Amino acid sequence: NAGVMQNPRHLVRRRGQEARLRCSPMKGHSHVYWYRQLPEEGLKFMVYLQKENIIDESGMPKERFSAEFPKEGPSILRIQQVVRGDSAAYFCASSLAGTSVYNEQFFGPGTRLTVL
Amino acid sequence: AQSVSQHNHHVILSEAASLELGCNYSYGGTVNLFWYVQYPGQHLQLLLKYFSGDPLVKGIKGFEAEFIKSKFSFNLRKPSVQWSDTAEYFCAEGYSSASKIIFGSGTRLSIRP
Repeated sequence: NAGVMQNPRHLVRRRGQEARLRCSPMKGHSHVYWYRQLPEEGLKFMVYLQKENIIDESGMPKERFSAEFPKEGPSILRIQQVVRGDSAAYFCASSLAGTSVYNEQFFGPGTRLTVL
Repeated sequence: AQSVSQHNHHVILSEAASLELGCNYSYGGTVNLFWYVQYPGQHLQLLLKYFSGDPLVKGIKGFEAEFIKSKFSFNLRKPSVQWSDTAEYFCAEGYSSASKIIFGSGTRLSIRP
């Protein structure tokens, strides 16, 4: 029973490049959440998606960041024109249903992004 | 804005010592509270959660937490820690009508064998 998968586990980019982070939810889960963890801080909510829909993006930076969860394939978090401040661990979680924290979120191992 | 505070950034204990990690939340309404653990090199796992009912919540691996509404606290406890409890522990809160979870900054627990 595979859990939440994220790839790559480590990603190095130079300033100005694009970063694409992928998340495959647990089997049967159709709700995906992205969180960012900056050094010495807790996880911060970024965005919550269902298949083909963004439900809550209140934690997403207004520029350069976007997320999608297509009908087929993994969820993608895309960061354009990365800057050093984007260096962080990005965690994805999935749940069987959404709209309530009664539905447990299962976390992936994270992608550590380093911007040179 | 809602927030979760974990005041101990790093706790060092010897095996068999008792553990209590502090957690305070800010939201005064109906809250749902969680403790997550992240073992070295592994992903976040849910230790325990509180939604309603008995304020003393039992979790996995001998952990428990007590919800004290008057103190806005949800401290994590374990009577006797083991070396394998070395990990980072995150307190978090969520809201019944929303899906996002608000995390504390985490407490790193180191156990001396």
